Amino acid sequence: KNEVEQSPQNLTAQEGEFITINCSYSVGISALHWLQQHPGGGIVSLFMLSSGKKKHGRLIATINIQEKHSSLHITASHPRDSAVYICAAINYGGSQGNLIFGKGTKLSVKP
Amino acid sequence: ETGVTQSPTHLIKTRGQQVTLRCSSQSGHNTVSWYQQALGQGPQFIFQYYREEENGRGNFPPRFSGLQFPNYSSELNVNALELDDSALYLCASSLDYLYEQYFGPGTRLTVT
Repeated sequence: KNEVEQSPQNLTAQEGEFITINCSYSVGISALHWLQQHPGGGIVSLFMLSSGKKKHGRLIATINIQEKHSSLHITASHPRDSAVYICAAINYGGSQGNLIFGKGTKLSVKP
Repeated sequence: ETGVTQSPTHLIKTRGQQVTLRCSSQSGHNTVSWYQQALGQGPQFIFQYYREEENGRGNFPPRFSGLQFPNYSSELNVNALELDDSALYLCASSLDYLYEQYFGPGTRLTVT
């Protein structure tokens, strides 16, 4: 069992729909990244959060540390949002700050 | 401000060969982390360098080694390449090892 689990693995939506991607983790963490990866490989950091909620444009990320769960929401989805979305847990407990990644959610938004 | 850059973009090697991948960190960042991403999988942590010292290592064999230079750029070296080493290799830099990581575009390595 992975330490970081995402659902769903694949998601197809129609343009304009509200999208939710979920991330659950079994390790103690200090913070959680949400990342976006486009075909070709480049990864862009969307959010890093350790509590509560963050919003950037049409993207909203929430985290519940007690329940070890985070969600990424996309409002008014658009075909350009099509990408793989990855959550990654980070634990500052040791001396290293490496990321433990989920396998990603492949999102396809149809026009 | 220049972002994280990696070279080369693509590379094809033969089993048993050695390869060196390079990463230039974002200006002002002293930490570089390396990740391997196999096709269809999430990235896996290889190791991290902080101020020229290794600051943590994932579950990779010793034939994966690295280096960080005084300007905080970094190299990943892989000896005795195996077919399973075919993957996208990502580096990420951060202001410090406790801060948000910014990723480079990756190097796609194919081992035949």
